[in-house]
Amino acid sequence: EAGVAQSPRYKIIEKRQSVAFWCNPISGHATLYWYQQILGQGPKLLIQFQNNGVVDDSQLPKDRFSAERLKGVDSTLKIQPAKLEDSAVYLCASSPGIAGYNEQFFGPGTRLTVL
Amino acid sequence: QQPVQSPQAVILREGEDAVINCSSSKALYSVHWYRQKHGEAPVFLMILLKGGEQKGHEKISASFNEKKQQSSLYLTASQLSYSGTYFCGTEKSGTASKLTFGTGTRLQVTL
Repeated sequence: EAGVAQSPRYKIIEKRQSVAFWCNPISGHATLYWYQQILGQGPKLLIQFQNNGVVDDSQLPKDRFSAERLKGVDSTLKIQPAKLEDSAVYLCASSPGIAGYNEQFFGPGTRLTVL
Repeated sequence: QQPVQSPQAVILREGEDAVINCSSSKALYSVHWYRQKHGEAPVFLMILLKGGEQKGHEKISASFNEKKQQSSLYLTASQLSYSGTYFCGTEKSGTASKLTFGTGTRLQVTL
């Protein structure tokens, strides 16, 4: 079975520019997560979708970050405008359901560098 | 609040054992363990549920002490492939599988 796909793999932008990341979860997985992982730290949840509805976005900086999951499948995460501190790896993960006993499958991530 | 892992880093010789601990200040519903190799995505190892038993995966096993809100990951007879950073992800009761990942433990296995 195909894994979680993400693109682009790498992105370099200047501060105040905009950037968008795309994620295609494993087919049939209802739950999709976006994480931010700063170098040397554990992943930090930004937003969690159940199908196309938002379950948790309490740690999403909503003044600059936005995310959507149209039709409950693919998802995009956007940053506008970017700041230096947004430099990180953005990981997308999916799981079959919402229950705690479901493992999360991670994509390869997008490494963002903001100059 | 982020769970705390200990030790922060450990170096082992191949064949040695290691224990990685994960502590939370909150009552937990489940604990997930992941391993991440440099430049790669985290890979799932196991889940421990409240009221569940100790789980195993090859020579890697784990336990979950609900009363202490602690989990331990046991690596037996370590192999070179075990090298990487280990993260615990904790789920509080009623948070619909939202994981808070720990500070990470960097494990290096040498010959």
